[in-house]
Amino acid sequence: NAGVTQTPKFRILKIGQSMTLQCTQDMNHNYMYWYRQDPGMGLKLIYYSVGAGITDKGEVPNGYNVSRSTTEDFPLRLELAAPSQTSVYFCASSPGGDYGYTFGSGTRLTVV
Amino acid sequence: GQQLNQSPQSMFIQEGEDVSMNCTSSSIFNTWLWYKQDPGEGPVLLIALYKAGELTSNGRLTAQFGITRKDSFLNISASIPSDVGIYFCAGLSLRGSQGNLIFGKGTKLSVKP
Repeated sequence: NAGVTQTPKFRILKIGQSMTLQCTQDMNHNYMYWYRQDPGMGLKLIYYSVGAGITDKGEVPNGYNVSRSTTEDFPLRLELAAPSQTSVYFCASSPGGDYGYTFGSGTRLTVV
Repeated sequence: GQQLNQSPQSMFIQEGEDVSMNCTSSSIFNTWLWYKQDPGEGPVLLIALYKAGELTSNGRLTAQFGITRKDSFLNISASIPSDVGIYFCAGLSLRGSQGNLIFGKGTKLSVKP
């Protein structure tokens, strides 16, 4: 049972480059989330999805895009990377209701 | 928007000591959750609380859902070196079956052997 899998684990991007952070879950959860974690700032919600084909903005969506074509996958796209996007990114999933989230192990992104 | 105030920000304790941390909010939550994050890993759920006044234990960890539904605390008894990490509280307000978790900024715990 893999849970939530994120790839890559580490990435260095140059300013202006684009990339996609991959996230997949095998628990058949309807709800999926993308967070970024900056030192001392906790976790901030970027985007979330309540099911395939449905996505919505979180607290800090600017500079990011998402899609949800299947229940399993929820990729996060950075189109024009900026130094402010240097962070650790976590994907999470949930069956909904008042159940807690299951997190992936994160992607550490540095933009230089 | 909703915010959680988590304290303390960091703690340096001796192995064997007890630890206490808490979260407060001006908003009411239906559910309180406590997560632990080990270095280089994602947060892992420790305890979930669903009812005001509820007191729940998980081994050496005990957490309580405040009566006002605006706060929660987590205690760790007899700390050991593997307790090191960042502990996050999270509150959930449901609208129907949908809601998003709001996270505190974390308490970084260091344990001296």
